[in-house]
Amino acid sequence: EVQLVESGGGLVQPGGSLRLSCAASGFTISSYWMTWVRQAPGKGLEWVANIKPDASEKYSVDSVKGRFTISRDNAKNSVDLQMNSLRAEDTAVYFCARVVTSSRGFDPWGQGTLVTVSS
Amino acid sequence: DIQMTQSPSSVSASVGDRVTITCRASQGISIWLAWYQQKPGKAPKLLIYTASSLQTGVPSRFSGSGSGTDFTLTISSLQPEDFATYYCLQTNSYPLTFGPGTKVDIK
Repeated sequence: EVQLVESGGGLVQPGGSLRLSCAASGFTISSYWMTWVRQAPGKGLEWVANIKPDASEKYSVDSVKGRFTISRDNAKNSVDLQMNSLRAEDTAVYFCARVVTSSRGFDPWGQGTLVTVSS
Repeated sequence: DIQMTQSPSSVSASVGDRVTITCRASQGISIWLAWYQQKPGKAPKLLIYTASSLQTGVPSRFSGSGSGTDFTLTISSLQPEDFATYYCLQTNSYPLTFGPGTKVDIK
């Protein structure tokens, strides 16, 4: 079964750091772009970052540039999101997903991990 | 950045109704648009990709159309399991952007 499982969420103070991980099973991530998407409580979906299969290209939304870094370890079949200088507005459920090569659709998605930034 | 708008923001409908949701891009995105369904507390699910292609396993009552700037998602006969929030996403250019969502609830 193709599956993604996120981990690493939790409560962190403003200005703190957190590292999220997304472990893939049932497929090899080395052939796929991977993505992170977040959803603040009661709000809509927001794309956060993408990473190419060989990590040679990375893209992110302006609001996280310089603070969040997406990375991957193809040998471990996992993708990470390093989040620094966290702000209250980063509070959200963070989902990882596979980017389907031909269609650019996001499928499958993980179940999400909650990040709460609060003092 | 490409802005995505959706209408309506919410719709109340009955089982068996035909429901149409519109997504508009602020500039042309060719066919690089997908539709997602999300139920409370769950991850989004891919329904339609490249504007009109049905994802494997998705019921045929869902269909998508459009290209350029205007797109629609149609549910031909609403079923109880279809009550959810629907989002469009453009993947034509970075930053990728979602529409604000359309909530479909029970009339």
